[in-house]
Amino acid sequence: GEDVEQSLFLSVREGDSSVINCTYTDSSSTYLYWYKQEPGAGLQLLTYIFSNMDMKQDQRLTVLLNKKDKHLSLRIADTQTGDSAIYFCAESSPPNSGGYQKVTFGTGTKLQVIP
Amino acid sequence: NAGVTQTPKFQVLKTGQSMTLQCAQDMNHEYMSWYRQDPGMGLRLIHYSVGAGITDQGEVPNGYNVSRSTTEDFPLRLLSAAPSQTSVYFCASSEDRSNQPQHFGDGTRLSIL
Repeated sequence: GEDVEQSLFLSVREGDSSVINCTYTDSSSTYLYWYKQEPGAGLQLLTYIFSNMDMKQDQRLTVLLNKKDKHLSLRIADTQTGDSAIYFCAESSPPNSGGYQKVTFGTGTKLQVIP
Repeated sequence: NAGVTQTPKFQVLKTGQSMTLQCAQDMNHEYMSWYRQDPGMGLRLIHYSVGAGITDQGEVPNGYNVSRSTTEDFPLRLLSAAPSQTSVYFCASSEDRSNQPQHFGDGTRLSIL
């Protein structure tokens, strides 16, 4: 079945760049996503990339996709203390017979930003 | 605009008790899902629905029931609570079949003693 793996923890200094990495196994993934979870809250979609793209930039966020190696990364430029959160990588499978696209989440990477 | 609302936010149960976790969305989304979040395991899909009257099992459905009598509501029932069901439960909804973006509620933190 599908599997998505991430490192559990990353610590960076305020102002530096953060790079969060993710590997996945499902070669039929249609979209790959990055979600952010702040303490006591649900997940919020940060950005996503279609599986036929290599890169997507959205303000301070850059997503890189290496489809050959099934590797996804999220780079946050000029990391701020407000970026401290858990970041989840996720992939969606093609629709099943009922039209539902299952989303598989990674274990999450806790980003700590040191002032 | 409330989005996805989950109640209660916290609950403690004894083994063997039953309860219903409520989920309501006001965005007229067709697709709704229930996940559980456990340390080191990410989110795992329990049950999902592609519209009123239609539900199906996810990867960890045992011990849980769902129903979808209206577009807005998607309650999750624990039939006989077990300590292994101690977790944080999230409900999510999405507008279309791509299932993205999913809008998440703030979660229900459930402890089974």
